[in-house]
Amino acid sequence: AQKVTQAQTEISVVEKEDVTLDCVYETRDTTYYLFWYKQPPSGELVFLIRRNSFDEQNEISGRYSWNFQKSTSSFNFTITASQVVDSAVYFCALSEATGGFKTIFGAGTRLFVKA
Amino acid sequence: DTEVTQTPKHLVMGMTNKKSLKCEQHMGHRAMYWYKQKAKKPPELMFVYSYEKLSINESVPSRFSPECPNSSLLNLHLHALQPEDSALYLCASSQGVSPEETQYFGPGTRLLVL
Repeated sequence: AQKVTQAQTEISVVEKEDVTLDCVYETRDTTYYLFWYKQPPSGELVFLIRRNSFDEQNEISGRYSWNFQKSTSSFNFTITASQVVDSAVYFCALSEATGGFKTIFGAGTRLFVKA
Repeated sequence: DTEVTQTPKHLVMGMTNKKSLKCEQHMGHRAMYWYKQKAKKPPELMFVYSYEKLSINESVPSRFSPECPNSSLLNLHLHALQPEDSALYLCASSQGVSPEETQYFGPGTRLLVL
């Protein structure tokens, strides 16, 4: 069973638009951790945020914000006033307290921001 | 400093060649990982080293041989690879090996097997 679902394969926006990347996860653990990574064309995965299952407080970091809702098992990521440099593949990931060392990645969402 | 370095950046090898990928971190992290990433796919875990000991081998073929000479270095030895092994190979490290740990990734090695 897929544990991390990123239903949006590709999104294309024009610069300065806001865009939300969806992430839905599935777990039976009460303790788990959610992550977002950015992968630009250069290839390196860049860590953006980590959230634990007991902290539902939304977070804002500059133009980035995250909405964690346990009721809907979602951890969505919004970029405000998108820029061309935001063009990348974004991965949502889950690690479970009982999952050992494994981090489960979603399929990724490719974001194109056009000038 | 959250830098993980990988060499080489690109590698082309024949199916009879032997080559090695190298990964280095100086963050004092005690866990290191190898991932394989095919185009338009998420990273797939290959190996995990914890305190320089192999902790996870995700049923990876023996033509891939990991090595952790010390806590800062991680190698991946390649021998008799197949064209389907062409991919981006990512190294990562984390402070420890618990699920809450954030993994920091290197830039990867793009491998082409001819």
